[in-house]
Amino acid sequence: GAVVSQHPSWVICKSGTSVKIECRSLDFQATTMFWYRQFPKQSLMLMATSNEGSKATYEQGVEKDKFLINHASLTLSTLTVTSAHPEDSSFYICSGERGETQYFGPGTRLLVL
Amino acid sequence: ILNVEQSPQSLHVQEGDSTNFTCSFPSSNFYALHWYRWETAKSPEALFVMTLNGDEKKKGRISATLNTKEGYSYLYIKGSQPEDSATYLCAPFVGGGNKLTFGTGTQLKVEL
Repeated sequence: GAVVSQHPSWVICKSGTSVKIECRSLDFQATTMFWYRQFPKQSLMLMATSNEGSKATYEQGVEKDKFLINHASLTLSTLTVTSAHPEDSSFYICSGERGETQYFGPGTRLLVL
Repeated sequence: ILNVEQSPQSLHVQEGDSTNFTCSFPSSNFYALHWYRWETAKSPEALFVMTLNGDEKKKGRISATLNTKEGYSYLYIKGSQPEDSATYLCAPFVGGGNKLTFGTGTQLKVEL
């Protein structure tokens, strides 16, 4: 149990476009979901904490107007990278919290040309 | 920013070898420590959640210990197998919050 999916797994887009990434908890309900980003050779860095039915809490340095998070149901959170630029190219991964453990999706690799 | 260090950065061992690696973290305001195994192209898999000083947890051939006073945790793999090849991540919770702060991981490759 405790499976999280992410879609898409890969996305290539042109600079200036917006990209939406979906994170779903398939067999449990996640009141809280987390979004992380990983740049090459660096650790997973928390971007924001998403709570169902309320606004996300963003970490310092993460632009909330650029990375829009919506957690409209207990099984779905979405991250929209608005007006993406090449510096937004990264690996984005989400997790859903169940009990004391976070269960991760497989991640989404974003390349902005 | 919480400083979490993992060593070594990478490790190559032969099948059947036992190995261990370290996670170091600030010992003040410690709440819990998570270990994850992350295979390429898959989701990180939760291995252990450790909370008490002196904790030792085991899952098959993998075990972990925790020292909260000095701020470190060891992960041991006994009789490594090729399927153990993965990146092993640790992430402490500090201050009672629910935010994980990850180390950069130890990349383990087990060769035949």
